[in-house]
Amino acid sequence: GESVGLHLPTLSVQEGDNSIINCAYSNSASDYFIWYKQESGKGPQFIIDIRSNMDKRQGQRVTVLLNKTVKHLSLQIAATQPGDSAVYFCAENIAGGSYIPTFGRGTSLIVHP
Amino acid sequence: DTAVSQTPKYLVTQMGNDKSIKCEQNLGHDTMYWYKQDSKKFLKIMFSYNNKELIINETVPNRFSPKSPDKAHLNLHINSLELGDSAVYFCASSPRDSSGCTFGSGTRLTVV
Repeated sequence: GESVGLHLPTLSVQEGDNSIINCAYSNSASDYFIWYKQESGKGPQFIIDIRSNMDKRQGQRVTVLLNKTVKHLSLQIAATQPGDSAVYFCAENIAGGSYIPTFGRGTSLIVHP
Repeated sequence: DTAVSQTPKYLVTQMGNDKSIKCEQNLGHDTMYWYKQDSKKFLKIMFSYNNKELIINETVPNRFSPKSPDKAHLNLHINSLELGDSAVYFCASSPRDSSGCTFGSGTRLTVV
């Protein structure tokens, strides 16, 4: 269960800076990972994914790094913009035919103009 | 042309009532989900349906029941609503071999 009183982790950056959001996953059997962005009042939106046979994948202004040894995932956003302000979630999927994504806690990114 | 649509967007109801939230996807996806998001933004999976078969149910009270009339719809029925059921409920769908989920815009349920 969740911890009572635990606030959402927050990362505050200046516009134009690079942002790094981290995520630890728990299941070593997970083989597919996704980052989602959730803006206020909306549902989570797919950003980028990575499979366990890769350690890095790049998209437009975003890069995901996967370290399977320590079960760690990060999302790097280059030249962060005010429109990047949102809550970011990592999700892990476990192989087995049915992809049931399990979401991490989420990190709130605040971009100051 | 909404990919995953859920209704209503807002739902305010009294304790003890029974309510339903509807969800439809036009993406041709094989799997649909219901998630509950609490006030701390924690997303917890409730149900997953794959080709009309329930494949996961994560310790959700049996007052909650998913109903899937066809592959494109997964509705959520809630009986005897409690204060603790207040949350935002998200419907989502994904292809069988998954390239991530597509989420609806959420239904904010408030039980008073």
